[in-house]
Amino acid sequence: EAGVVQSPRYKIIEKKQPVAFWCNPISGHNTLYWYLQNLGQGPELLIRYENEEAVDDSQLPKDRFSAERLKGVDSTLKIQPAELGDSAVYLCASSLDSGTPPNEQFFGPGTRLTVL
Amino acid sequence: RKEVEQDPGPFNVPEGATVAFNCTYSNSASQSFFWYRQDCRKEPKLLMSVYSSGNEDGRFTAQLNRASQYISLLIRDSKLSDSATYLCVVTNDGGSQGNLIFGKGTKLSVKP
Repeated sequence: EAGVVQSPRYKIIEKKQPVAFWCNPISGHNTLYWYLQNLGQGPELLIRYENEEAVDDSQLPKDRFSAERLKGVDSTLKIQPAELGDSAVYLCASSLDSGTPPNEQFFGPGTRLTVL
Repeated sequence: RKEVEQDPGPFNVPEGATVAFNCTYSNSASQSFFWYRQDCRKEPKLLMSVYSSGNEDGRFTAQLNRASQYISLLIRDSKLSDSATYLCVVTNDGGSQGNLIFGKGTKLSVKP
């Protein structure tokens, strides 16, 4: 079974440019997460989707970040405009659902963003 | 105080050594606890869940002390392949249910 797929794997852009990341979760997984991971830190949640609904976007910097999961499957995370401090790895994860106790989250390989 | 704190590391140990990682968490409402493993430049993967009674999976033993809000991971007879960063993870219950809060991770290097 295919795991979580992310693209691109690497992206280098200049500051103030827009950038978008794409994620395809594991088939049948209703819950999708976007995380940001800085060097030497653990992943930090940006947004969580239950199907197509964003149920927790409290940590998403909404002035420049946006996300969508229109049909409850694939998701896109966008940054516009990018800043130097956005350089990080953007991880997508999915799980069957977000019940209690939580189901295992499976992570994609991430997109490594470098903003110059 | 950070929500999840771990030993800063890195831990450099010889093959066959026993190594222990410690973790404390600040949210007393947290209900679920995990250890994730992250290899260099790879994604995190679930290593094991942590239960109140303690649990063991081969060479790995996890312990939870709810009263002290403390979690541990013990690796016995360490192998070269155990070299990775170990992330302590708790759920952010009481607020955003189901969300995982990750520690910074502790890097382990097992040497021949």
